[in-house]
Amino acid sequence: DGGITQSPKYLFRKEGQNVTLSCEQNLNHDAMYWYRQDPGQGLRLIYYSQIVNDFQKGDIAEGYSVSREKKESFPLTVTSAQKNPTAFYLCASSTSRSYEQYFGPGTRLTVT
Amino acid sequence: AQKVTQAQTEISVVEKEDVTLDCVYETRDTTYYLFWYKQPPSGELVFLIRRNSFDEQNEISGRYSWNFQKSTSSFNFTITASQVVDSAVYFCALSDEYSGGGADGLTFGKGTHLIIQP
Repeated sequence: DGGITQSPKYLFRKEGQNVTLSCEQNLNHDAMYWYRQDPGQGLRLIYYSQIVNDFQKGDIAEGYSVSREKKESFPLTVTSAQKNPTAFYLCASSTSRSYEQYFGPGTRLTVT
Repeated sequence: AQKVTQAQTEISVVEKEDVTLDCVYETRDTTYYLFWYKQPPSGELVFLIRRNSFDEQNEISGRYSWNFQKSTSSFNFTITASQVVDSAVYFCALSDEYSGGGADGLTFGKGTHLIIQP
């Protein structure tokens, strides 16, 4: 089936450790995105990529890093510089000319 | 800058009632797109509809309907004869040319938690 996969669903880390969240899509979409969701809040854009080997900062990029070496993969690293990393992270993708974004199931990260 | 406001934090109705979720947006662009997404308890966002700024026709899909009014910058969502399975958080979102279009990400409202009681 076509879609977006994110792994793992739940992730626990100790403060001070970097952690990488996986996002893979087989929809052949050019654009991919990472959003963060906090309780009772909407989604906020962290990073996005319109094409392989290129990505741009979103509204809350500080403390995060990404790579886009393959069209189907867009991993997000939450670094120790991110002050409040505990959140629900959602990955999405879209075609370059279609504005609907399709979302993965999300990864719930807890840092203690 | 663009902004999306969903003033209703939580709505609770009894099954079979009609319910309307409000969405008000702000943008400086004349070309923009509006979206509604559903987030069930599982967490994954489900795309419901996209509407561009040049098409003010209302849309109906089964029990769902959307009312887009540029004069009031609103894009409201109505569920007719609500069902328990409609219980979820619903997000309204905006993409406009100022933000670079869809590829630059969506601006989301904070969501409305809809509870349908049996």
